[in-house]
Amino acid sequence: DQQVKQNSPSLSVQEGRISILNCDYTNSMFDYFLWYKKYPAEGPTFLISISSIKDKNEDGRFTVFLNKSAKHLSLHIVPSQPGDSAVYFCAASEDTDKLIFGTGTRLQVFP
Amino acid sequence: EPEVTQTPSHQVTQMGQEVILRCVPISNHLYFYWYRQILGQKVEFLVSFYNNEISEKSEIFDDQFSVERPDGSNFTLKIRSTKLEDSAMYFCASRGSSGQPQHFGDGTRLSIL
Repeated sequence: DQQVKQNSPSLSVQEGRISILNCDYTNSMFDYFLWYKKYPAEGPTFLISISSIKDKNEDGRFTVFLNKSAKHLSLHIVPSQPGDSAVYFCAASEDTDKLIFGTGTRLQVFP
Repeated sequence: EPEVTQTPSHQVTQMGQEVILRCVPISNHLYFYWYRQILGQKVEFLVSFYNNEISEKSEIFDDQFSVERPDGSNFTLKIRSTKLEDSAMYFCASRGSSGQPQHFGDGTRLSIL
């Protein structure tokens, strides 16, 4: 039951460039989407979210885009920094309740 | 910044024993959750808790599992008779009102021998 999918297990980006992480979902009832960042031995850290009534939300270097017709969202990080190297999880929910997570994308930002 | 805290960070238990994982959610939060992540797999929802009762539970959350909020600050997950397949990272999360994101603790690594 893969309601939320992150098809790229890893991504490598040069410092200063844009990182684009992608996520697809299948459940049209999802109305709230989030991105979390996770370092080893730590819990997921909330980054940014978007409601289904919007198609873009921006917070500093992080922007999330939502394409409801394609059931696709993406996280853009500009500019990428070495400290951004982590595993990024996409998650989705109905009514902001239980989260359904993707499998994660490991981002590596190199100098 | 307020955070969710979980204890212990690592718990090693013999199969068949009971284990209690503890969480202190963010103080003004109203909704509480447990998730788990088996090594190499995705984070999975276990249970949600609001107003002193379970709101929803997954099929993983069988009769061996229970949750409790024994006082105004702690939120616990009990596994009555542990199995080898219960070995995983267990994450507690909490959130405030509707529209607010869930915030996670750093997890408890549960190892069943």
